[in-house]
Amino acid sequence: EAGVAQSPRYKIIEKRQSVAFWCNPISGHATLYWYQQILGQGPKLLIQFQNNGVVDDSQLPKDRFSAERLKGVDSTLKIQPAKLEDSAVYLCASSAPGPSGANVLTFGAGSRLTVL
Amino acid sequence: AQSVAQPEDQVNVAEGNPLTVKCTYSVSGNPYLFWYVQYPNRGLQFLLKYITGDNLVKGSYGFEAEFNKSQTSFHLKKPSALVSDSALYFCAVRDRGSTLGRLYFGRGTQLTVWP
Repeated sequence: EAGVAQSPRYKIIEKRQSVAFWCNPISGHATLYWYQQILGQGPKLLIQFQNNGVVDDSQLPKDRFSAERLKGVDSTLKIQPAKLEDSAVYLCASSAPGPSGANVLTFGAGSRLTVL
Repeated sequence: AQSVAQPEDQVNVAEGNPLTVKCTYSVSGNPYLFWYVQYPNRGLQFLLKYITGDNLVKGSYGFEAEFNKSQTSFHLKKPSALVSDSALYFCAVRDRGSTLGRLYFGRGTQLTVWP
């Protein structure tokens, strides 16, 4: 099966600019996640979707970050305006349907953001 | 509050020797536990998970992990390391009582296996 697709792989912007990342999960995976991975740290959940509804966005800095998952498939994560501390790898992941806490997440390769 | 600790930033072992990557966790209820591996410029890949039953879990590429409830640990092990095992390893935990709950990751342990 095809994996989780993410684009762009790399992005360099200046602070206060905006950026958008795109994710296409594995076909049929109802749950989609966006994680932020800062260098030297483990991934931190930003937002979790179940189909096209938000399950958990408690750690999303909503003054600058937004995300949507139209039609319960693709998702876009936007940052506007970007700050220096937003420099990180943004990982998208998806998991199979079913309310199981033991579901395995399948990750994309990530989008590396550098804010200058 | 849920958290994961990986006390070693780096583990170095010689090829052919056994390896252990340590993980301890804290959850309010019973845990689901996971190990993921990340190779350079790649996303995280699933290695193994503990759900219930046998405390020794076997996973991909010859890795295994032992769940120890009394010590709240889930150490990753392999009897004989390969150079190709060199990567960044992440332990993760989810509270069993939260079916769609957040997965918490440790900060990762860089494993280097030298020839």
